[in-house]
Amino acid sequence: EIVMTQSAATLSVSPGERATLSCRASQSVGNNLAWYQQKPGQAPRLLIYAASSRATGIPTRFSGSGSGTEFTLTINNLQSEDFAFYYCQQYNGWPLTFGGGARVENK
Amino acid sequence: QAQVVESGGGVVQPGKSLRLSCAASAISFSVDPMHWVRQAPGKGLEWVASISYDVSDTHYADSVKGRFTISRDNSNKTLYLEMNSLRLEDTAIYYCAEATLAGPILDVWGKGTTVTVSS
Repeated sequence: EIVMTQSAATLSVSPGERATLSCRASQSVGNNLAWYQQKPGQAPRLLIYAASSRATGIPTRFSGSGSGTEFTLTINNLQSEDFAFYYCQQYNGWPLTFGGGARVENK
Repeated sequence: QAQVVESGGGVVQPGKSLRLSCAASAISFSVDPMHWVRQAPGKGLEWVASISYDVSDTHYADSVKGRFTISRDNSNKTLYLEMNSLRLEDTAIYYCAEATLAGPILDVWGKGTTVTVSS
């Protein structure tokens, strides 16, 4: 099983600043990595797939990078609606696995 | 806009069974892989099971293998999750997700249905 690790459980960021979230895979997943956003009481929403491709309707302030075992989700010019939980997920092999999640909170 | 809507959740005793359903609206349902993901109270996301568009391929998390069965009815655009021998630790919100992009990328999610296993 590929273990996904999101190193920072909570990031405290002020509106207008940049948030950088990290995700590490226990073995290479190529670029088969997705990022999801989840707000309290809501279903997850796909933000990024193939490590760096934005899903339909996702603002350009969200960007993804990385390959192999190290990945980053960057949120530029953080907006109030971006305070949420974020999960990475690998889909390079079965079982599909998610990172433990990272919360972006208002500093 | 593709949508999926889960139903069938409820309160059930340990050892009992429950069947979840997921109704899809996308025209592409019959060619889209489908997935179940759950989230225990206050916890992160856990993938549960997946099924290919033609039912030829299924995958399960070890935690549910042998107890849960994923299936689909393409003519009725419906996904199912048959859950047997339920345990306390199966308590969670269960999300149905459709993968309309290439690969197991979960791009269409339902609002979820809550399963509570309690004596």
